[in-house]
Amino acid sequence: NAGVTQTPKFQVLKTGQSMTLQCAQDMNHEYMSWYRQDPGMGLRLIHYSVGAGITDQGEVPNGYNVSRSTTEDFPLRLLSAAPSQTSVYFCASSYGDRANYGYTFGSGTRLTVV
Amino acid sequence: AQTVTQSQPEMSVQEAETVTLSCTYDTSESDYYLFWYKQPPSRQMILVIRQEAYKQQNATENRFSVNFQKAAKSFSLKISDSQLGDAAMYFCAYKGQGAQKLVFGQGTRLTINP
Repeated sequence: NAGVTQTPKFQVLKTGQSMTLQCAQDMNHEYMSWYRQDPGMGLRLIHYSVGAGITDQGEVPNGYNVSRSTTEDFPLRLLSAAPSQTSVYFCASSYGDRANYGYTFGSGTRLTVV
Repeated sequence: AQTVTQSQPEMSVQEAETVTLSCTYDTSESDYYLFWYKQPPSRQMILVIRQEAYKQQNATENRFSVNFQKAAKSFSLKISDSQLGDAAMYFCAYKGQGAQKLVFGQGTRLTINP
């Protein structure tokens, strides 16, 4: 099992550019989520999905868009990148009650917006 | 909304000694789960230990144990016989019984001195 795969691992964007961070899992997990990690602030929830076709906002959703057309994939779109979106992004997934045993995380994407 | 606070941005310990990382949380729920995650320089999020709020017994995983004080809403992590490989950022996280999302603390960077 590959687990949770995030691509790319690193990315530099110019202000105003758009891009999509990819997240895929092969564990048939219902729940998928995106977090951003900033120094001194821990991980904050951006968007999450409890199943294909269902998404909802987390704590810091502004400037980001998500969709969930399949169980496996949960891409995160930056519509118009801003320096404030410089961060490390993590995708995480879980399956039903297994979430009570912790989540599976991807290895992260370090994004720099210049 | 639930909050998680880690009041120690940095901690250091001598190799083979014991160190305790602090975590407090705020919630009105009675059933929930608490986690400690380790993030080494590789950036990977690794689940260290979990605690179910309805269990009074403190969780233990080898050299890692917790001191769970439900009334005080405290969930500290004790690392015994510290090893160089324990050097990492440690995050405390909360999950409500009916919720899917994790709420993270700010993190504590642990340094192991040889």
